[in-house]
Amino acid sequence: QKEVEQNSGPLSVPEGAIASLNCTYSDRGSQSFFWYRQYSGKSPELIMFIYSNGDKEDGRFTAQLNKASQYVSLLIRDSQPSDSATYLCAVNEGSTGGFKTIFGAGTRLFVKA
Amino acid sequence: DAGVTQSPTHLIKTRGQQVTLRCSPKSGHDTVSWYQQALGQGPQFIFQYYEEEERQRGNFPDRFSGHQFPNYSSELNVNALLLGDSALYLCATKDTQKNGYTFGSGTRLTVV
Repeated sequence: QKEVEQNSGPLSVPEGAIASLNCTYSDRGSQSFFWYRQYSGKSPELIMFIYSNGDKEDGRFTAQLNKASQYVSLLIRDSQPSDSATYLCAVNEGSTGGFKTIFGAGTRLFVKA
Repeated sequence: DAGVTQSPTHLIKTRGQQVTLRCSPKSGHDTVSWYQQALGQGPQFIFQYYEEEERQRGNFPDRFSGHQFPNYSSELNVNALLLGDSALYLCATKDTQKNGYTFGSGTRLTVV
């Protein structure tokens, strides 16, 4: 079973700060990488996906991918209390044709007002 | 445009019983994956259906089975329920040509 590892947190940042969330994965064949946000009691919601090395920006969110280091990160700029949630890193398992998306256990983020 | 619809929202079953969970995908989505999410954990992949066939399976026993219908809707069946099967079951759908899932709101299964 391929793995996706995340620090469970909680990560606490003040309002307006940059939140940095990190993820490592074990399957070198993986090609697609995702970040989902999950509010307590709700289902996951896709916020970013990336498949090329480097940075991808969307509003206040930036996803960073380094395939050589098998590392994915998510930066949230100008963090707001409404960003408080669990952030799930997900990876399409390349060794099985990319059909299986594996999730990490998630990092809980608290943004203090 | 309706999103992903799951039913029922909550369910209580007794050990040894069987359960069927249902999922209707978002319009335009032809691929359905099922996930089990225990409290405080990430979603665990059960299996994926595409063109009415199981395309990939996770590390779940044969007690877990599924089906996809011609209209792309799907069912998850679990036989001989165990206490450890208590979890949130999530249906996630996508257009097979695109990346990223849309999740349903889930079915909370409690086995007593």
